[in-house]
Amino acid sequence: GAVVSQHPSRVICKSGTSVKIECRSLDFQATTMFWYRQFPKQSLMLMATSNEGSKATYEQGVEKDKFLINHASLTLSTLTVTSAHPEDSSFYICSASRTVMNTEAFFGQGTRLTVV
Amino acid sequence: DAKTTQPPSMDCAEGRAANLPCNHSTISGNEYVYWYRQIHSQGPQYIIHGLKNNETNEMASLIITEDRKSSTLILPHATLRDTAVYYCIVRVAGTGNQFYFGTGTSLTVIP
Repeated sequence: GAVVSQHPSRVICKSGTSVKIECRSLDFQATTMFWYRQFPKQSLMLMATSNEGSKATYEQGVEKDKFLINHASLTLSTLTVTSAHPEDSSFYICSASRTVMNTEAFFGQGTRLTVV
Repeated sequence: DAKTTQPPSMDCAEGRAANLPCNHSTISGNEYVYWYRQIHSQGPQYIIHGLKNNETNEMASLIITEDRKSSTLILPHATLRDTAVYYCIVRVAGTGNQFYFGTGTSLTVIP
């Protein structure tokens, strides 16, 4: 299957700082990418839909000014957690689909964020 | 919003078939059924998807009832590495359409 890569896989940051997570589709172009957050023993929660060349669409209850999403190219989307706090500690996962209909989405390996 | 119902957990003996059910009684005519699994601390892995016909690939088989209100994922010969949380998702086709995850089924393969 297609490959979606996230970087970093694990990050620890101090409270009040910002952290950027990258999501790349390595062997296909992705018009749309999705960002999820997962707390321990819970399911994945969709945060936002990232569209290449336009503003992201955020799910209800997700703060767009806190979770900045940029999708500057067909192979790269970034999620920046601004002014991170301990409650932002979570597992962040991105996914992407090929630019065709009826297709599955491929997921990155996830980024474990710990805010101390 | 998740539109599927799955049992929270199941056990399966190693080497036997694992049959994971999913109810999606409100599925629309243009929605596909997708199955993913997530092994601890990894991103979800695509397994299979289908619209109304049964599907089979190298990983699993997907059986969709004629009324499309439920489906079953079959892992024909479960191994210990199949221990994971399995998610059934219904979704309208198209790359811009979101995947909403429900609570899934935690499958434990027992030696």
